Amino acid sequence: ELKVEQNPLFLSMQEGKNYTIYCNYSTTSDRLYWYRQDPGKSLESLFVLLSNGAVKQEGRLMASLDTKARLSTLHITAAVHDLSATYFCAVDGETSGSRLTFGEGTQLTVNP
Amino acid sequence: DVKVTQSSRYLVKRTGEKVFLECVQDMDHENMFWYRQDPGLGLRLIYFSYDVKMKEKGDIPEGYSVSREKKERFSLILESASTNQTSMYLCASSLWTANYGYTFGSGTRLTVV
Repeated sequence: ELKVEQNPLFLSMQEGKNYTIYCNYSTTSDRLYWYRQDPGKSLESLFVLLSNGAVKQEGRLMASLDTKARLSTLHITAAVHDLSATYFCAVDGETSGSRLTFGEGTQLTVNP
Repeated sequence: DVKVTQSSRYLVKRTGEKVFLECVQDMDHENMFWYRQDPGLGLRLIYFSYDVKMKEKGDIPEGYSVSREKKERFSLILESASTNQTSMYLCASSLWTANYGYTFGSGTRLTVV
């Protein structure tokens, strides 16, 4: 059974600081996805990582994938209040048939 | 511009009612999914479908059924709503290979009283 673990689950940080959210998964996969969810809203796709070493950047967020370590990171640079949200990673395991397994989510709060 | 549409944003139903949640996508996706999301429990897969008239149970199918008569529409049915089915319900769709991940609908907040 594929397990996906995120840490931290809760993150409170100040504006202007940098931080990294980690996503570990338990079985072989080379496809990983990051989503953002604002309170009371649905999930919005942020990044699609489809190979080992993939790196994607959008604004203050950068995601990377290391399939050998079964690890993805979401790095936040110079955080701003608008980044406050819950961030989910999701993994498509090799035998899951396009069924994604989601992490628990990291609730990020950026304080002024 | 909306690609996955859930018919209702908020619903209030009574215990014992039969409830239909509708989801329509316009991206010609093969796969469609229903999740529920509850605080502290993350996203839990209820049912999914890879093709018309096909359905597969997810992790928590009890108390639910689904229907997919057309490729673009995937309905979630609560046969007899109960208060423990009060939740946020999220529909998603993807291509067969899911190379681009899922596209989610805006969600339906269901309250069963």
